Amino acid sequence: GAVVSQHPSWVICKSGTSVKIECRSLDFQATTMFWYRQFPKKSLMLMATSNEGSKATYEQGVEKDKFLINHASLTLSTLTVTSAHPEDSSFYICSARDRIQGGIEQFFGPGTRLTVL
Amino acid sequence: QQPVQSPQAVILREGEDAVINCSSSKALYSVHWYRQKHGEAPVFLMILLKGGEQKGHEKISASFNEKKQQSSLYLTASQLSYSGTYFCGTELRSGNTPLVFGKGTRLSVIA
Repeated sequence: GAVVSQHPSWVICKSGTSVKIECRSLDFQATTMFWYRQFPKKSLMLMATSNEGSKATYEQGVEKDKFLINHASLTLSTLTVTSAHPEDSSFYICSARDRIQGGIEQFFGPGTRLTVL
Repeated sequence: QQPVQSPQAVILREGEDAVINCSSSKALYSVHWYRQKHGEAPVFLMILLKGGEQKGHEKISASFNEKKQQSSLYLTASQLSYSGTYFCGTELRSGNTPLVFGKGTRLSVIA
């Protein structure tokens, strides 16, 4: 299957700092990537849809000024958590499909665990 | 739009079978099943498209009842490695749309 990578796999930061998370499709091009957030023992909640070359589409209740998404190329989307606070601590996961090859499976990256002190 | 999964949790002994259900109040285009182990990302298991198909992979299979808008995941002769949280993700239409996930079913297989 298609491979999606994320970097970093974990990060610890101080409250008030900004953190950037990268999501890459390694062996395919992704015009669209999805960002999810998962709290411990909870489900995956969709945060936003990242579209290459255009603005991201955010889900209701997700602050677009706090969670900045940039999809600058067909293989890279970044999520920046600005002015992070302890309540932003979570597991952030991106996913994508290999649409060009007609794939319908959605593959997930390994996730990034963010801890804000 | 979040699909409803049942049961919330199940404990099995090795070799026993289990069924996990995923139902939606809206007409579905597809249902995707994933297994997630603690601290890891979800791993894709299988996808079912509307049309009532059934798929299988070794001892894990699934069905999709289009009339009931319900999918079931069947785990037979469970192994310790089956432990984890199972999520169903649903799509309402074809296209590059995100999946909406259920709350998950925590499966524990004990020796």
